[in-house]
Amino acid sequence: DGGITQSPKYLFRKEGQNVTLSCEQNLNHDAMYWYRQDPGQGLRLIYYSQIVNDFQKGDIAEGYSVSREKKESFPLTVTSAQKNPTAFYLCASRPLSGSSYNEQFFGPGTRLTVL
Amino acid sequence: QQQVKQSPQSLIVQKGGISIINCAYENTAFDYFPWYQQFPGKGPALLIAIRPDVSEKKEGRFTISFNKSAKQFSLHIMDSQPGDSATYFCAASLNSGYSTLTFGKGTMLLVSP
Repeated sequence: DGGITQSPKYLFRKEGQNVTLSCEQNLNHDAMYWYRQDPGQGLRLIYYSQIVNDFQKGDIAEGYSVSREKKESFPLTVTSAQKNPTAFYLCASRPLSGSSYNEQFFGPGTRLTVL
Repeated sequence: QQQVKQSPQSLIVQKGGISIINCAYENTAFDYFPWYQQFPGKGPALLIAIRPDVSEKKEGRFTISFNKSAKQFSLHIMDSQPGDSATYFCAASLNSGYSTLTFGKGTMLLVSP
């Protein structure tokens, strides 16, 4: 099946710890995105990448870091510098060419809770 | 800051009724307007999208109406069903492969049986 996988589905973190959220896609999409979702806040862009080994900050990048070493993978690290990390994190991808180049597809999400 | 304003925040509709969700945008350069549907605990899924060269697009029970001069677009769900109960997000972007989506804050729709 083609799609986007995120793991884990649920993640618990103690204050002061860094955690890494996994995102993998087998859609051969060029661009990948990380969003944070809080109740009543919509989806806010954390980081995005349009090509391997390159990425850009979104609207709320502080306290987060990413890497894009492979086209299929775009992991997100939530660092201890992120003051309020409890949220639902969504990964997305999209092609940058072809008839569907504007269509962004989302993974199932990871719910992070800080204890 | 580029914004997309969505209303209402929540909506209750009886089964068989019409659900209407509205969005307004500021950036006149936006030219791609998708709607996403999200069920609790799941990722959003693309529902329907429109470009400003048409004023309306229909797919099954879902219709987007677009008013370029007013910088507004809306989602209409005809014959609403309990299975339509979900959160709906509008979004907007430039028609470029390198642009990012700007999302509204979402509308929680409940369709009562």
